[in-house]
Amino acid sequence: ETGVTQTPRHLVMGMTNKKSLKCEQHLGHNAMYWYKQSAKKPLELMFVYNFKEQTENNSVPSRFSPECPNSSHLFLHLHTLQPEDSALYLCASSQDGGMGTQYFGPGTRLTVL
Amino acid sequence: DQQVKQNSPSLSVQEGRISILNCDYTNSMFDYFLWYKKYPAEGPTFLISISSIKDKNEDGRFTVFLNKSAKHLSLHIVPSQPGDSAVYFCAASAQGSSNTGKLIFGQGTTLQVKP
Repeated sequence: ETGVTQTPRHLVMGMTNKKSLKCEQHLGHNAMYWYKQSAKKPLELMFVYNFKEQTENNSVPSRFSPECPNSSHLFLHLHTLQPEDSALYLCASSQDGGMGTQYFGPGTRLTVL
Repeated sequence: DQQVKQNSPSLSVQEGRISILNCDYTNSMFDYFLWYKKYPAEGPTFLISISSIKDKNEDGRFTVFLNKSAKHLSLHIVPSQPGDSAVYFCAASAQGSSNTGKLIFGQGTTLQVKP
């Protein structure tokens, strides 16, 4: 595998379910990011991790819980979501947090029923 | 308040001609700018970037121009090819010491290149 991978690519869940999104980067980067893209809106940054430490939480509701066990893996744990949380969730990585180009995964298309 | 704006939601160009995509920003602290291309069902792909110490950066058919006084950047694609048809996002960040890697994206411009 090369680049940034995300699983699953598509997810449908009910409002009472608990699910997790997974991201893995094979670029040797030290920073990882979660973004949300809703229809007709720009990409919105959710969380930033730099060397496994969270350095940015962009006022994200607590029903989204990130986890970064190491510099290569990033998770987004989801629970009691709302239908308006349906969106494309994108993971990205960069060499260092705050510097340089971010490289994106293919995204997870999430639908909350 | 949107700090990065792409005011043209769509652009249609004939194959072989030049495509010009525009982006405006409001935050004078931004000093690093990027263009990404996105196909349906894929994540954004990095195209080209420019630092504020430059006013032009070129990579093959893609050139980015930065006008700091006007807070404006543009992406030129020449010659345009049908495979360039995609959504193009500009993004900006402030690479200063307090920066946490936050990229601010524009809304995107859908480019259609007609054969």
